[in-house]
Amino acid sequence: EAAVTQSPRNKVTVTGGNVTLSCRQTNSHNYMYWYRQDTGHGLRLIHYSYGAGNLQIGDVPDGYKATRTTQEDFFLLLELASPSQTSLYFCASSEGTTRNEQYFGPGTRLTVL
Amino acid sequence: QQQVRQSSQSLTVWEGETAILNCSYENSAFDYFPWYQQFPGEGPALLIAIRSVSDKKEDGRFTIFFNKREKNLSLHIKDSQPGDSATYFCAASANSGTYQRFGTGTKLQVVP
Repeated sequence: EAAVTQSPRNKVTVTGGNVTLSCRQTNSHNYMYWYRQDTGHGLRLIHYSYGAGNLQIGDVPDGYKATRTTQEDFFLLLELASPSQTSLYFCASSEGTTRNEQYFGPGTRLTVL
Repeated sequence: QQQVRQSSQSLTVWEGETAILNCSYENSAFDYFPWYQQFPGEGPALLIAIRSVSDKKEDGRFTIFFNKREKNLSLHIKDSQPGDSATYFCAASANSGTYQRFGTGTKLQVVP
């Protein structure tokens, strides 16, 4: 069964709306990541975490909050969604950071109208 | 700024040809370079990786050639198959760093 799952798979919201994207991993990995994927920009790291209660900023954190509630669960929060946040969002997990394979979820497509 | 660059956004080859995907990087401290493969509707998955102490890494039809002096590398897909059609991401990280940096991706289409 899939080791990294994301929900919802698709989400449509309006400008100013409140959105929470969920990610769960069953790999027993310490590290979890949130990326956005956009044509011409590739995968860009928003936030990452190395354990429950920990949060680190990535390369494009503005407009996003995140929370790691357990080793398994990592949430991405958009409190005032904007059209510029329309994107494909991926969650990933890994045992370590720089040397370790990242395991990605299936993605969530978010549209902000 | 983009620390890892993939010069081609897309590439089309015929079935049976060798596809060559290029990648370059800025940071001399980068010493680990994974390539990820992404099929439509799925997340990326690790395909093959190389460390900077090597100049070549081979796994079946997939080979990475690495040039430390020029700060570039390439992924060669020999005998390309239509099933290889996907987006390929080059990534890089430093042992002293915090996380992997990804390139912008190259979308490969293999035409039968």
